[in-house]
Amino acid sequence: DAGVIQSPRHEVTEMGQEVTLRCKPISGHNSLFWYRQTMMRGLELLIYFNNNVPIDDSGMPEDRFSAKMPNASFSTLKIQPSEPRDSAVYFCASSPGGIRNEKLFFGSGTQLSVL
Amino acid sequence: QQQVKQSPQSLIVQKGGISIINCAYENTAFDYFPWYQQFPGKGPALLIAIRPDVSEKKEGRFTISFNKSAKQFSLHIMDSQPGDSATYFCAATPNFGNEKLTFGTGTRLTIIP
Repeated sequence: DAGVIQSPRHEVTEMGQEVTLRCKPISGHNSLFWYRQTMMRGLELLIYFNNNVPIDDSGMPEDRFSAKMPNASFSTLKIQPSEPRDSAVYFCASSPGGIRNEKLFFGSGTQLSVL
Repeated sequence: QQQVKQSPQSLIVQKGGISIINCAYENTAFDYFPWYQQFPGKGPALLIAIRPDVSEKKEGRFTISFNKSAKQFSLHIMDSQPGDSATYFCAATPNFGNEKLTFGTGTRLTIIP
């Protein structure tokens, strides 16, 4: 198995532009998570899906952020409009374990820089 | 509200020494405590985990010690090697459904020759 696949690996954009991050979870995993990692705040959970349904989006910082999971093999995290403070590494993770999600498998992340 | 407090923020240990990273939690409902290891440019990966029905779990050179009454747990890396240099995150999750892992803030470990 190729693991969790994220694209792009790096994204540099200008303030105000729309940014779309993509994730392909491990086949057969029921849960998918989007995390943001910064030096100041560590790993923050933004949103997670179970069986393609958003379960908890309380970590989404504001309405500029949205996430979708149209099917079991694909998810997107969109930021519109982007701001410099959104610069971070964004990780997607998937889990086989249903709602409890004890073991997470992380992708390699997308390094986002908003200028 | 930080539910899992991790220390130290960074740690330098000589090769062959013991690395110790500590975590404390507040939520008594937490019942699963994993540690994740992250190398530069990679996502975190599960290293070892423990449940509160045991006080210690060992896998190779890695040991988790758990103190339920003090609400603390720690990671010990014996015979630390340069390849262990990474960022380590403790985490916790409670025993009821629809919850997710709460991560500590991370410890950057550097093993020097």
